[in-house]
Amino acid sequence: AQSVTQLDSQVPVFEEAPVELRCNYSSSVSVYLFWYVQYPNQGLQLLLKYLSGSTLVKGINGFEAEFNKSQTSFHLRKPSVHISDTAEYFCAVSDFGAGGTSYGKLTFGQGTILTVHP
Amino acid sequence: GAGVSQSPSNKVTEKGKDVELRCDPISGHTALYWYRQSLGQGLEFLIYFQGNSAPDKSGLPSDRFSAERTGGSVSTLTIQRTQQEDSAVYLCASSLVPGKETQYFGPGTRLLVL
Repeated sequence: AQSVTQLDSQVPVFEEAPVELRCNYSSSVSVYLFWYVQYPNQGLQLLLKYLSGSTLVKGINGFEAEFNKSQTSFHLRKPSVHISDTAEYFCAVSDFGAGGTSYGKLTFGQGTILTVHP
Repeated sequence: GAGVSQSPSNKVTEKGKDVELRCDPISGHTALYWYRQSLGQGLEFLIYFQGNSAPDKSGLPSDRFSAERTGGSVSTLTIQRTQQEDSAVYLCASSLVPGKETQYFGPGTRLLVL
């Protein structure tokens, strides 16, 4: 079964500093990869996704992520964070079934709480 | 346009009672998913609908859990004989088609079983 590991449960960082949130997945087959963000008392919102093509994916709010197939990783980065980036971030994977297609079932990591301090 | 809506937003029930959770997906979205978010288990997939059929129910934790979708739109998740371990936030998501399309999540129903 597919599994997703987010290596840091909490990441504290100062405003305007760079940040990297790490994500590794287990599947060796083709996958779609996603990062979702959950702000306090709000629902999940898509930050970015990797489907195919360029391994560097850019998303909303200045975030980007790099797909590394050999390391089965999809780390999320931002060069300069803001207070408003304080939230919980979830990495998710949708793998391809026996038929070679994905129907979108997401397997999530445990989440990383990013706290940005002034 | 309107997003995914869920009702009720909060539900407190007594152990052993049945509860129904409702999801209204974005209009025109054919794929609908239920997930559960709890402190101990994180975010878990429960069930997937394509139209009114559910090709994947593999995430339902027990036979006390069931779900249906009618008219290719509204979905109801029913939990019978609730247990304290059912306490969680139940999230619904929909996408235009299944697969690589973005899933849009509702705000969730927070269920507390006393």
